[in-house]
Amino acid sequence: GAGVSQSPRYKVAKRGQDVALRCDPISGHVSLFWYQQALGQGPEFLTYFQNEAQLDKSGLPSDRFFAERPEGSVSTLKIQRTQQEDSAVYLCASSLASRGRNYGYTFGSGTRLTVV
Amino acid sequence: TQLLEQSPQFLSIQEGENLTVYCNSSSVFSSLQWYRQEPGEGPVLLVTVVTGGEVKKLKRLTFQFGDARKDSSLHITAAQPGDTGLYLCAGARSNTGKLIFGQGTTLQVKP
Repeated sequence: GAGVSQSPRYKVAKRGQDVALRCDPISGHVSLFWYQQALGQGPEFLTYFQNEAQLDKSGLPSDRFFAERPEGSVSTLKIQRTQQEDSAVYLCASSLASRGRNYGYTFGSGTRLTVV
Repeated sequence: TQLLEQSPQFLSIQEGENLTVYCNSSSVFSSLQWYRQEPGEGPVLLVTVVTGGEVKKLKRLTFQFGDARKDSSLHITAAQPGDTGLYLCAGARSNTGKLIFGQGTTLQVKP
């Protein structure tokens, strides 16, 4: 597609519920990133894929967070047993660049998750 | 620990004024990028600077990468209300595609 598409745009989850956030990157982009952004703050890195390989998951805040990209295209970020502190905007970005050469990301519009 | 420190965090100015946003770090980056983000949208890439001392211009925006590749600045001339938004700097390390973002500068330009 022309841009990075994320769904849903908004998600309200009850505490303890599992959620799945989807990201459709730009076709042909090998790198895919997930970031978490609090209101008015910069994005915080969660995890990084190069094709289907998850090369870095150092930013995932707990073992309740899990990400996958099984065919090297669409990615899903899953959060189990959501907590109120998980409320944030989750941004997905993709890039043509391979590891070590980053010339800019294209971000999706994000999924705003609210845990009540 | 914030690897990239942006200042100021908030800036409210009148249309026509000039401003500078700073992005500082103790770490060296292979490249540094600036993004602008509007409410409800993802960040949009403005520029990438790669070489120490590099200066790039984008209409009324001037970006500079420090000689040691540890800091950068964004200067806006004659700000307009359409410049309002969250400005983010982000650094890339040479051995990974991961970007590290600063905490952002919220700019409000009043007409």
